[in-house]
Amino acid sequence: NAGVMQNPRHLVRRRGQEARLRCSPMKGHSHVYWYRQLPEEGLKFMVYLQKENIIDESGMPKERFSAEFPKEGPSILRIQQVVRGDSAAYFCASSPPRWASYNEQFFGPGTRLTVL
Amino acid sequence: DAKTTQPTSMDCAEGRAANLPCNHSTISGNEYVYWYRQIHSQGPQYIIHGLKNNETNEMASLIITEDRKSSTLILPHATLRDTAVYYCIVRSYFGNEKLTFGTGTRLTIIP
Repeated sequence: NAGVMQNPRHLVRRRGQEARLRCSPMKGHSHVYWYRQLPEEGLKFMVYLQKENIIDESGMPKERFSAEFPKEGPSILRIQQVVRGDSAAYFCASSPPRWASYNEQFFGPGTRLTVL
Repeated sequence: DAKTTQPTSMDCAEGRAANLPCNHSTISGNEYVYWYRQIHSQGPQYIIHGLKNNETNEMASLIITEDRKSSTLILPHATLRDTAVYYCIVRSYFGNEKLTFGTGTRLTIIP
């Protein structure tokens, strides 16, 4: 059973470009979470999604950031018009449906975004 | 979610038991204690969680005090690969809410 997959693992963008980060949850998991870790800082929650729904986006910056988790395909974190301050590691986690016997979140390896 | 307090850093000799404390004095009745770790810059790794009884799995043991205001994560025979930042997180089990990471404890295993 493959774990949470994220791609790309490393992404370099110039200021003003768009960054698209993808996350494929573990098989059977219907909940996806995105976290950001700025250099030398802790992990901060950004957004929590279920299939086709955003459940909690309290940690998302108000502008330029968006997330989706379509019925088919991976979850996408999209950052428009990137700035140097967006350089960070972005981690995706997934967890199973509420009726499952466990609800731990399992994390992917992360995407390291560098904005030049 | 209740706030947790952990020491900033700890050292432990290789082969010894590593005991990582966590205070969570404001924990409520439906909140569990979860432990994760982050090795270098990898994704966080789930270790263990518990409510009020002591728990053990293949990675670690979790000891929760009777009043549930504190807990200790025990790595029974620490190896160099256990060097990581360890996070103690309090979270309601009933739901799929976010994890709120603090600053954690940076554990260094000494050869």
